[in-house]
Amino acid sequence: DAGVIQSPRHEVTEMGQEVTLRCKPISGHDYLFWYRQTMMRGLELLIYFNNNVPIDDSGMPEDRFSAKMPNASFSTLKIQPSEPRDSAVYFCASSRAGLAENTGELFFGEGSRLTVL
Amino acid sequence: QQQVKQSPQSLIVQKGGISIINCAYENTAFDYFPWYQQFPGKGPALLIAIRPDVSEKKEGRFTISFNKSAKQFSLHIMDSQPGDSATYFCAASITGGGNKLTFGTGTQLKVEL
Repeated sequence: DAGVIQSPRHEVTEMGQEVTLRCKPISGHDYLFWYRQTMMRGLELLIYFNNNVPIDDSGMPEDRFSAKMPNASFSTLKIQPSEPRDSAVYFCASSRAGLAENTGELFFGEGSRLTVL
Repeated sequence: QQQVKQSPQSLIVQKGGISIINCAYENTAFDYFPWYQQFPGKGPALLIAIRPDVSEKKEGRFTISFNKSAKQFSLHIMDSQPGDSATYFCAASITGGGNKLTFGTGTQLKVEL
């Protein structure tokens, strides 16, 4: 399996521009997560989906952020308009539903490094 | 609200030494505690995990110690190697909670020759 695939790997943009990050989860996984990583705050959960339906978006910082999952093999995270404080590495992760005695392991992509000037 | 607190922020250990990273949690509903390892330019990957019905779990050179009453758990890396140099994250989740993990802030480990 190719693993979780994210694009772009690097994005440099100017303040006010729209940014779209993309994710292809592992086939057969029914959970998809978007995390943001910064030095100050570590890994923060932004939103997660189960079977393409958003379950918890309480981590989305503000209305400038939105996420969609139109089908089981594709998700986007959009920032509009972008601001310098959005600069971070954004990770997508996917997992299968956990068994009764286990919680599903999260498989992370390699991340999208965003720099907003 | 920081539900999982991790320390230290960074750690330097000599080759062959023991690396110890500590985490504390607040939510007593957490019942799954994994550790993730992240190399530069890569996403985090599951290293080892424990449930609170045991006090210790060992996999090779990596051991998790768990203290339910203190709401603390730690990662011990025995015989630390330069290849162990990475960022380590503790995490916690609730079974049935949708595989949603709450991460600590991470520890940058450097193992020197």
